[in-house]
Amino acid sequence: DTGVSQDPRHKITKRGQNVTFRCDPISEHNRLYWYRQTLGQGPEFLTYFQNEAQLEKSRLLSDRFSAERPKGSFSTLEIQRTEQGDSAMYLCASSLRGVGTGELFFGEGSRLTVL
Amino acid sequence: QKEVEQDPGPLSVPEGAIVSLNCTYSNSAFQYFMWYRQYSRKGPELLMYTYSSGNKEDGRFTAQVDKSSKYISLFIRDSQPSDSATYLCAMGSSYKLIFGSGTRLLVRP
Repeated sequence: DTGVSQDPRHKITKRGQNVTFRCDPISEHNRLYWYRQTLGQGPEFLTYFQNEAQLEKSRLLSDRFSAERPKGSFSTLEIQRTEQGDSAMYLCASSLRGVGTGELFFGEGSRLTVL
Repeated sequence: QKEVEQDPGPLSVPEGAIVSLNCTYSNSAFQYFMWYRQYSRKGPELLMYTYSSGNKEDGRFTAQVDKSSKYISLFIRDSQPSDSATYLCAMGSSYKLIFGSGTRLLVRP
């Protein structure tokens, strides 16, 4: 499978625990994005990497959230001290030449349930 | 007011019908427009991409953009039960896409 890969697909955790999601983009795609989608809503932008540089973080990304992309390959999104409001689908996407060319390919998402 | 408005539906049509899905937006800076299809518990799948105003056709799908009215549409001809999904419009002007809330479509056999 050469698409965007995300792991785990579903994570159930208790409030206050830390969770980490991993995203492997399409190979040779140097741009990587994280979005969050809650039930009945469209995805909302969280952050954007070009290679290993994080170029923008949304206001939605509180201090409890951190994203990294070491060596410009896979990326991780960590949520510390989870809250029930963090329950959502976390989507990773990648592109080669940028969103403006019509390329933004999403993974299947990592669904987080905070009890 | 949201930057992108989309009727949530659900929209229920018989197989073979022509489906019209629409979004309005408020930001005149948006330059590119996309439609994604999302099945339950799956990631969004890119269906159509258009840049600026005009029409684009791909098989049974036609995307229209009217920048003067800040209005975009997706038409599905000869709809099939397999088209049952949530359809998301998305638009942007840089690296960030703004999505509508999605329209749920059900095509009845």
